[in-house]
Amino acid sequence: AQSVTQLGSHVSVSEGALVLLRCNYSSSVPPYLFWYVQYPNQGLQLLLKYTTGATLVKGINGFEAEFKKSETSFHLTKPSAHMSDAAEYFCAVSDPNDYKLSFGAGTTVTVRA
Amino acid sequence: DTAVSQTPKYLVTQMGNDKSIKCEQNLGHDTMYWYKQDSKKFLKIMFSYNNKELIINETVPNRFSPKSPDKAHLNLHINSLELGDSAVYFCASSQDGTGAHYSPLHFGNGTRLTVT
Repeated sequence: AQSVTQLGSHVSVSEGALVLLRCNYSSSVPPYLFWYVQYPNQGLQLLLKYTTGATLVKGINGFEAEFKKSETSFHLTKPSAHMSDAAEYFCAVSDPNDYKLSFGAGTTVTVRA
Repeated sequence: DTAVSQTPKYLVTQMGNDKSIKCEQNLGHDTMYWYKQDSKKFLKIMFSYNNKELIINETVPNRFSPKSPDKAHLNLHINSLELGDSAVYFCASSQDGTGAHYSPLHFGNGTRLTVT
């Protein structure tokens, strides 16, 4: 069974600053990895995903994440935060042999003007 | 065009009542899900259907019963509502035909259930 840990339940950044959201996972097999974003009063939407191949994955809205197998991590970054990035971010992991997608507890991002 | 739509958006009801939440997807996906998001925003899967067949049934009270009349619809019926059922319930769908979870989920906007 897999599990996901998101370090930091709340991250506050200045507009224009780097956004770094941390995600570590545990899985008995190479997992599929996802980042989702949830804006207020909305459902989750996919930011990016890693299944196989290149370990640096680019997503929507300027976000990217790097799969590091040795560190069992899949941290999400954006070089320059925008006010519209204020939202809840969820890391998720799927075992290819399993039907289930496990979500982390989420990280709330606030952006200061 | 709404991809995954669920109704109602808000549901306020009293303990002991029975209520239903409806979900429809127009993406042609094979698999649909119900997730529960609690007040701390933690997401937990409840059920999953693939082509109308139940494939995931997590430890959920049997007061919760999903029904999938066809692969584009997955409804959730809740009997004898309790205070602890208050949460946001999300419907989602994915292209997965085999259950191997590599296709992204497409979520509805949620139904906020408040039990008083």
